[in-house]
Amino acid sequence: DIQMTQSPSSLSASVGDRVTITCRASETITTYLNWYQQKPGKAPDLLIYAASSLQSGVSSRFSGSGSGTDFTLTISSLQPEDFATYYCQQTYTTPITFGQGTRLDIK
Amino acid sequence: QITLKESGPTLVKPAQTLTLTCSFSGFSLTSMGVGVAWVRQPPGKALEWLGVVYWDGDPRYSPSLRSRLTITSDTSKNQVVLTVTDMAPEDTATYFCAHNRGIPMLRGILGFDYWGQGMLVTVSS
Repeated sequence: DIQMTQSPSSLSASVGDRVTITCRASETITTYLNWYQQKPGKAPDLLIYAASSLQSGVSSRFSGSGSGTDFTLTISSLQPEDFATYYCQQTYTTPITFGQGTRLDIK
Repeated sequence: QITLKESGPTLVKPAQTLTLTCSFSGFSLTSMGVGVAWVRQPPGKALEWLGVVYWDGDPRYSPSLRSRLTITSDTSKNQVVLTVTDMAPEDTATYFCAHNRGIPMLRGILGFDYWGQGMLVTVSS
C-alpha cells in the first residue's frame, strides 16, 4: 500500500494567514493526489484534484502543487469558514489511501 | 445534479453482517472511468477507504478488509451495495459512499467529487 503522511497533524492560524499543509507519499504517485476539506458531522468536500486542479465551485484561495511524492495545499488568506480538517488522498493505484488529516483551528 | 445516499441499519450486533445500500442519481455507473467508492470514518478518526466498484463491474477492496467485504452494483436500479461480514465494535463508524470520477483508461483517478451524507453504524450487543 502507498502510505500518505501529512504534516502538520494540527495547526493553529488566524483569519488572513497564509497556510500550507504538506503531504508525502511513500512512493511516486505522479500527480494523482487530491485534497479534501471536512467539517464536523459532514462529508468531505473535494478541493483539489490531480495535485493542482481546482474543483468547480471551490474558492481560488485554495491551491495545490507537487508531483512524484511531495505535495502541498496552500490557503492564501484564511477565512472563518476554512477552519476544518484537511485530508490528502492518492488515487494513483488501489488501495486508495488517505493521509491522517490536518486539523486547522483558530489561534 | 449528482446525489448519493446511504441506507441500512444503524445498529448491528457483533458477528452480524452489515449490508449498506448506496442509491445514486445524476450519473450512470456504465460511464467509462467512473466508480462508486465506500469510505468509513470511526468517531474522531481519519477517513479509511474500503473499496470501489467501477463501471465495468470490477471491484477493488482494502487489503486489510478484503476477506470481509463485498461490493456489488445494480446499474438498473442505480445502486451499489456494500456487505461487511463479522462486524465488531471497532467497525463502528460513519460509512460514506462517493462518486469516484475518472477518465477512460484511468479509472477513478480524479477523486471523489460527490459524497453521500454518511450514516453512523454502531456495533454493539
